[in-house]
Order: sequence, then C-alpha cells, then structure tokens
Amino acid sequence: EVVMTQSPATLSVSPGERATLSCTASQSVKTNLAWYQQNPGQAPRLLLFDASTRATGVPARFTGSGSGTEFTLTISSLQSEDFAVYSCQQYNNWPLTFGGGTKVEIK
Amino acid sequence: EVQLLESGGGLVQPGGSLRLSCPASGFSFKNYAMSWVRQPPGKGLEWVSAISAGGNLYYRDSVKGRFTISRDIPKSTLYLQMNSLRAEDTAMYYCARRAHDDGGCFDYWGRGILVTVSS
Repeated sequence: EVVMTQSPATLSVSPGERATLSCTASQSVKTNLAWYQQNPGQAPRLLLFDASTRATGVPARFTGSGSGTEFTLTISSLQSEDFAVYSCQQYNNWPLTFGGGTKVEIK
Repeated sequence: EVQLLESGGGLVQPGGSLRLSCPASGFSFKNYAMSWVRQPPGKGLEWVSAISAGGNLYYRDSVKGRFTISRDIPKSTLYLQMNSLRAEDTAMYYCARRAHDDGGCFDYWGRGILVTVSS
C-alpha cells in the first residue's frame, strides 16, 4: 500500500499570506495525485489532479507541483474561504490512498 | 449538473447489515468508474471500494468479504452492501465519481451518509 504523508498537520496562516502544504508518497505515484479541500460538515471538493492541473472553477491562487514521491500545494494569498482541511490522494496504485490531511487555520 | 445523493445509512448493531444507495444524475453513469470513500469521525478520508465502467470490482483489505459494491446502470445507481459490520466501520460514507472510465481522481462527491455501528 502506498502511504501518503502530509505535513504539517496544522498550518497557521494570516489572510493574504502564502501557504505551502506538502505531501509525500512512500513510493512513486508519478503524477497521479490529486488535492482536495474539505470544510467542516461538507464533502471534499477536488482542487487539483494530475499533480498540477486545476479542476474546473478552482482559482489560480491554488498551484500544485511535484512528481514521483514529493508534492506541494501552494495557496498564494489566503482568502477567508480557503481556511479548511486539504488532503492529497494517489490514484496510481491499488488501494487508492489519502494523506491524513493538513488543516489550514487562521493565525 | 452532476448530482450524487447517498441514502441508507443509520445506526446498526455490530454484526448487522446496511445497504447504501447513490442515485446519480447529470452524466452518463455507465461510462464512469465510481467509488465509495469513508471518513471516520474526526479522521481522514479512506477509500473503501470501486467499480470500473467495465464492471471490475476493487476493495480495501479490511472490507473484503464483508462489503459488496454494485451498480444498476438503467437506474444510474451505485450501491454498497455492508455485512458483518464492525465498530471500526463507523464513518461518513461518500459516493464519488472517478474522472475516467478506468480510474483517475474523484471529481464529484455526494454529500455523504452517516453509518454508525454500535450496540
């Protein structure tokens, strides 16, 4: 099983600042990686797929990078609606696996 | 507009059974892979089971032999039959569409349905 590890677990950021989230895979998943945003009590929402492609309607301030085992999600200037939990997920191997999530909170 | 709406959850005793349903609309159901993903209270997301557009079935190890994924193409509905339920199966269960017929990310999600396994 490919283990996905996200860091940090919690990130405290002020509105307008940049946030950088990391996701590490225990083995190469090529670029078969997605990022999801989840607000409390809501379903996850797809942000990025294929490591760096934004989903429909996702603002340009969300940027994904990386390949193989190391991936990064960058939010260039945090807006109030961006404070949420972000999860990465690999779809290169069975079973499909998610990271434990990074909570982005207001500093 | 793609819509997925889970139903069938609730409180069940350990060892009991539940059947989740997820009627889909807004896309050609037969042409997409579908999955169930769960989230235990206060924890991260966990993939449970998948069915490809061609009908291939996949399960995580902890539910193999207990859960069965299926679909009714004319009804555009995804199902998850859950038997021999355990406390550790307690979670919010989401129905999710995969981006392609044979895989990809989860591009659309239902709102989720809560399953609680407790005596």
